Amino acid sequence: EPEVTQTPSHQVTQMGQEVILRCVPISNHLYFYWYRQILGQKVEFLVSFYNNEISEKSEIFDDQFSVERPDGSNFTLKIRSTKLEDSAMYFCASSGTGGTQYFGPGTRLLVL
Amino acid sequence: GENVEQHPSTLSVQEGDSAVIKCTYSDSASNYFPWYKQELGKRPQLIIDIRSNVGEKKDQRIAVTLNKTAKHFSLHITETQPEDSAVYFCAATSPGQNFVFGPGTRLSVLP
Repeated sequence: EPEVTQTPSHQVTQMGQEVILRCVPISNHLYFYWYRQILGQKVEFLVSFYNNEISEKSEIFDDQFSVERPDGSNFTLKIRSTKLEDSAMYFCASSGTGGTQYFGPGTRLLVL
Repeated sequence: GENVEQHPSTLSVQEGDSAVIKCTYSDSASNYFPWYKQELGKRPQLIIDIRSNVGEKKDQRIAVTLNKTAKHFSLHITETQPEDSAVYFCAATSPGQNFVFGPGTRLSVLP
C-alpha cells in the first residue's frame, strides 16, 4: 500500500538556522499538507497546497515558512530562521479527490 | 472557523470493555469526520471516517456515529485490547477547507 514518506526522521539545528523538511506524497494525490505537533499536544494545521500554490495557511505559517514542490514527487517545508518554539514533530499529509488525508511518519525537529 | 472539542482527554478501561470518545464541532458546513489513532512517536493513522450523509459506520470493533443536528460525533471501540492503547484524534472538515483536529484522547486499556 502506498505511503507518504518524509526525510529526515530527526533534525537538530541551531536557532536561526534554516531547515528544509522533505516529503514524498502518495503518487496520485493532488493535495498536500503540512501539520505541526508540539510534544503532547494536538496536531495543528500549517498549510495546504494544490495545483502548485498554497490554498490555505494558518496563522502559524508566517513569513519564516515556505513550501515548494520542486519536482513531480517532492513537497518541502522550509523554515528560514528557526526559533526554539519551532521544535515539534512536523507531519506531511496528502489526499486525493476523496478528501481522506494520509500522514507521513513525521520529522522531529529540535531547535537548540 | 471550525472548532473541534473532544472528551474525555484521558480514558482508562479494562480489557474487553467498551470505550467511547465524543467530539463536537461548530461549523454546520463540515461534512467529513475522520478519526485518527496515534501511537507514541508515530504518525496519525486513519482508523475510520464518516461523511455527513451517513449516521453510523462500523468496521469490526470500531464504529462512528454522527448527529448532524447536535453537531457531534463519537468513536466507539468494543472489546478493547491492550493494543488499542493510543491517543485518538477526531477531526472535522468541510469542502475546500482543511482538517481541524480535536485535542486528543489518551486511551489506556488495562489488562
